[in-house]
Amino acid sequence: EAQVTQNPRYLITVTGKKLTVTCSQNMNHEYMSWYRQDPGLGLRQIYYSMNVEVTDKGDVPEGYKVSRKEKRNFPLILESPSPNQTSLYFCASTQGTRNEQFFGPGTRLTVL
Amino acid sequence: DAKTTQPPSMDCAEGRAANLPCNHSTISGNEYVYWYRQIHSQGPQYIIHGLKNNETNEMASLIITEDRKSSTLILPHATLRDTAVYYCIALYHNAGNMLTFGGGTRLMVKP
Repeated sequence: EAQVTQNPRYLITVTGKKLTVTCSQNMNHEYMSWYRQDPGLGLRQIYYSMNVEVTDKGDVPEGYKVSRKEKRNFPLILESPSPNQTSLYFCASTQGTRNEQFFGPGTRLTVL
Repeated sequence: DAKTTQPPSMDCAEGRAANLPCNHSTISGNEYVYWYRQIHSQGPQYIIHGLKNNETNEMASLIITEDRKSSTLILPHATLRDTAVYYCIALYHNAGNMLTFGGGTRLMVKP
């Protein structure tokens, strides 16, 4: 089954404790991206990657890092999480530059 | 990207057609109309897109007016599982656009 998976689905952590949210897709898609969704602010892009070893900032990259060492994986790293990074995070992928993006199930992160 | 306007909420009876309108009066000639939906806190799901011709797939139909200033997403036989927020956005085709969802329409399908 074609899918985008994210782990963990739920995470409660404390300020400053490094964490990684994994994202994996099995569709051989070149393009992957991370979004966060907050009430009243809609969906905002954090980082995206056009292919392996090619990443770029989205609208709200501050406080986040990403890497794309393999085509299928695109982890999101929070080196020193802060409470304002409490949010619902989505990973997405698509073929080339298509706008029909496949989204993962989401990761609900709470930073205390 | 052109701004889109949607009603904040709509109700629909189960089994009936759900018609969700979207205004995009400033859409440019090269921008497509895309529809996504998001079922409560799940990942957004692509539904359909079109440029100027009406489009239909297994999920829905998309009717775009001749002047392209508005469109309607039609779910022909709405089920309770279609309860979701539906987003209409205007994007240039295959341009690697990031997706930016506005308020959308919260569709409630009722028994």
